[in-house]
Amino acid sequence: GQSLEQPSEVTAVEGAIVQINCTYQTSGFYGLSWYQQHDGGAPTFLSYNALDGLEETGRFSSFLSRSDSYGYLLLQELQMKDSASYFCAVRSHNTDKLIFGTGTRLQVFP
Amino acid sequence: NAGVTQTPKFRVLKTGQSMTLLCAQDMNHEYMYWYRQDPGMGLRLIHYSVGEGTTAKGEVPDGYNVSRLKKQNFLLGLESAAPSQTSVYFCASSPRSGANVLTFGAGSRLTVL
Repeated sequence: GQSLEQPSEVTAVEGAIVQINCTYQTSGFYGLSWYQQHDGGAPTFLSYNALDGLEETGRFSSFLSRSDSYGYLLLQELQMKDSASYFCAVRSHNTDKLIFGTGTRLQVFP
Repeated sequence: NAGVTQTPKFRVLKTGQSMTLLCAQDMNHEYMYWYRQDPGMGLRLIHYSVGEGTTAKGEVPDGYNVSRLKKQNFLLGLESAAPSQTSVYFCASSPRSGANVLTFGAGSRLTVL
């Protein structure tokens, strides 16, 4: 089976850097994805790591280490609008299911 | 383009009633999914489809049925609604070649009394 663990909540101030971790237990997957969801809204795709290493997209970066079964999303120069929930997700090689973690709620304070 | 459209957006049911949620996408995506989201539980996969005419069970399929008769539509049915099915339901789609990039609909909030 697959399970992904994330911290339930993270807080930070504007301009700071925050890291949201995702640890997983799964037998064979294609890569690690990250999604953002604002309150009352739908999830939107942020990034995808197919291989180990760091992927950078503007203020957001995502990292994957398959040997450690671990990944993280790094948000830099935090803005108030970054207050949202963030989900990691993996797709199984065997079933093509895309399974999400329980999500991390990020609160950014002035 | 409309992307992924879900109907209805809101619905209140009584226990035992049946209903169907409709998801339509206009991006010619092969894969479609139904998730439910409950407080503190994240997104849980109910059923999914990797192509027209095919469906498969996700993590929490009990009490739901699905059909994918046309590539652009994915229907989620509740035959006999229960209060435990009160939730926000999200439909999503993705292309086969970029299957990790899901486009979500706006969600359907269902309350079962």
